[in-house]
Amino acid sequence: GNSVTQMEGPVTLSEEAFLTINCTYTATGYPSLFWYVQYPGEGLQLLLKATKADDKGSNKGFEATYRKETTSFHLEKGSVQVSDSAVYFCALSSLVNTGTASKLTFGTGTRLQVTL
Amino acid sequence: KAGVTQTPRYLIKTRGQQVTLSCSPISGHRSVSWYQQTPGQGLQFLFEYFSETQRNKGNFPGRFSGRQFSNSRSEMNVSTLELGDSALYLCASSLVWARRGRAEAFFGQGTRLTVV
Repeated sequence: GNSVTQMEGPVTLSEEAFLTINCTYTATGYPSLFWYVQYPGEGLQLLLKATKADDKGSNKGFEATYRKETTSFHLEKGSVQVSDSAVYFCALSSLVNTGTASKLTFGTGTRLQVTL
Repeated sequence: KAGVTQTPRYLIKTRGQQVTLSCSPISGHRSVSWYQQTPGQGLQFLFEYFSETQRNKGNFPGRFSGRQFSNSRSEMNVSTLELGDSALYLCASSLVWARRGRAEAFFGQGTRLTVV
């Protein structure tokens, strides 16, 4: 079955530091890949996505590239801010049931804490 | 455009009771999925509905059920509540692209269920 593996957290960084959160996946076919962010007490917000190999998703300074050869989708940001403190989830979406439905499979989440 | 709306935001129930949670998707979105989030198990897929039909189901006992109405609104029901059902229940809606089938999902803020 499909699975997503994320690096363990928490990750603690100083403001303006470089961020990398590793994500690798196992899936059949050609999944779409996503990063979601969850702030305390909130639901999930879509941060970025990539739907095919070599696509780069980007949003709010965050980037991730769909690497089929290494089955990876690592999240990066060049300079983090205190407001980026949250839990980040890597996820993949694949077709199921002969293409009539889709399902998201999530990683375990990585908590990021950014300090001044 | 209004986002995904889940009601209620918080619920406290007693073991053995049943509960119904509601989700109104983004206007025009026809697919609704439900996820359970717990500290121990992370985010787990419950089920997906499209055109009032359950298209996919996760690995949960039959006490968990759902339905979708003609206006795409969805409800999920948990009967005979157990302590372990305490969780954040998240609803997500998405456009369904017939050919690609992998549109991004937009999440509501969730319903926090506490079983005592």
